[in-house]
Amino acid sequence: GENVEQHPSTLSVQEGDSAVIKCTYSDSASNYFPWYKQELGKGPQLIIDIRSNVGEKKDQRIAVTLNKTAKHFSLHITETQPEDSAVYFCAASKPSRNALNFGKGTSLLVTP
Amino acid sequence: DSGVTQTPKHLITATGQRVTLRCSPRSGDLSVYWYQQSLDQGLQFLIQYYNGEERAKGNILERFSAQQFPDLHSELNLSSLELGDSALYFCASSVETPGNTIYFGEGSWLTVV
Repeated sequence: GENVEQHPSTLSVQEGDSAVIKCTYSDSASNYFPWYKQELGKGPQLIIDIRSNVGEKKDQRIAVTLNKTAKHFSLHITETQPEDSAVYFCAASKPSRNALNFGKGTSLLVTP
Repeated sequence: DSGVTQTPKHLITATGQRVTLRCSPRSGDLSVYWYQQSLDQGLQFLIQYYNGEERAKGNILERFSAQQFPDLHSELNLSSLELGDSALYFCASSVETPGNTIYFGEGSWLTVV
């Protein structure tokens, strides 16, 4: 089945710096790549997603890039704020199956 | 608030027992998913139902079963519980089409003692 690898597992940045989280996937049929943010005691919440017909997508301070050839996609958070501290998960799914396969998560800590 | 409702929020039970977790999907969503989240395994897909029918199966143990009812709510049944089943169980829902956003509930925290 689909294997999604996510790095790093922990990331600490200073407020105002950028944070980058990278994921790779194994199934070339995957075409949908969402990113979720999970705060303590809450369920994962979608923050941005990208489909395989697009190389980059931006939403304010958050951007995602996709390289289909290399089978990897990345989350970029600029001008980080303490409230960005959370666990971030990447995921992938393919047309025949809507269920998401998740990476193991990145715990992001933004220090003031 | 994602619109996905899960009950109970917390549950403590003994080994060997059986529990049922309940999920109400977002209004209009026909697909329901169950995920298990543990510290060492991350978010593991268990099973998906679409409009009452099983659509996809992931790493679901034989001791676990699920169903989706005509009113679209779903239940996850966990039986012969073991200590290792202690985890956060999430329900999620989406519109049927693959690639649509999947919305997660707040989870049911199961502790087996």
